[in-house]
Amino acid sequence: DAKTTQPPSMDCAEGRAANLPCNHSTISGNEYVYWYRQIHSQGPQYIIHGLKNNETNEMASLIITEDRKSSTLILPHATLRDTAVYYCIVSGYGGATNKLIFGTGTLLAVQP
Amino acid sequence: DSGVTQTPKHLITATGQRVTLRCSPRSGDLSVYWYQQSLDQGLQFLIQYYNGEERAKGNILERFSAQQFPDLHSELNLSSLELGDSALYFCASSVEGSTDTQYFGPGTRLTVL
Repeated sequence: DAKTTQPPSMDCAEGRAANLPCNHSTISGNEYVYWYRQIHSQGPQYIIHGLKNNETNEMASLIITEDRKSSTLILPHATLRDTAVYYCIVSGYGGATNKLIFGTGTLLAVQP
Repeated sequence: DSGVTQTPKHLITATGQRVTLRCSPRSGDLSVYWYQQSLDQGLQFLIQYYNGEERAKGNILERFSAQQFPDLHSELNLSSLELGDSALYFCASSVEGSTDTQYFGPGTRLTVL
């Protein structure tokens, strides 16, 4: 079973910031938070990941709460091409495998 | 483009048949993963290989098998196909397979009639 909880869907206006929440209350100390997205039926696309600190790259920012029980993915200026299912996944560090357990994700619809 | 390639893009076959899906990882990646995405089950991890050896197994049916070859490409073999095996099959790769990021290929869409 997925270890994360996400809202099933969200809307965002084009050009505005999209803030996608994720709860991972049972996360353990050695687990990272990963975000992937899937546009239509394409292969999942890696966005960003983090352990404790906030992270930013050219695609997005990841804000992780101090207790690590939740996080928010921020797309600063959403475009129509950002319409996709966004998956928040926790994955172990230092174990034998970093297999990904996908939940149902959040369908983000960016509106013109 | 993630650098992971999968062939074929589409495959249509009949129940009872056997098919082989192929994956070439990104240059330099030693670990390969297979995932299945069906309408009712979502994205599910099937199996992982690292440098030719099986590293982790998920909900992979006994009718399915995989291997990773010395050149690091991988094949997923599906036999005695059933209607319910119709799905998207994704391959992903990563450098070392325990702490690093996976990058996914475009997938193979399998339709069993």
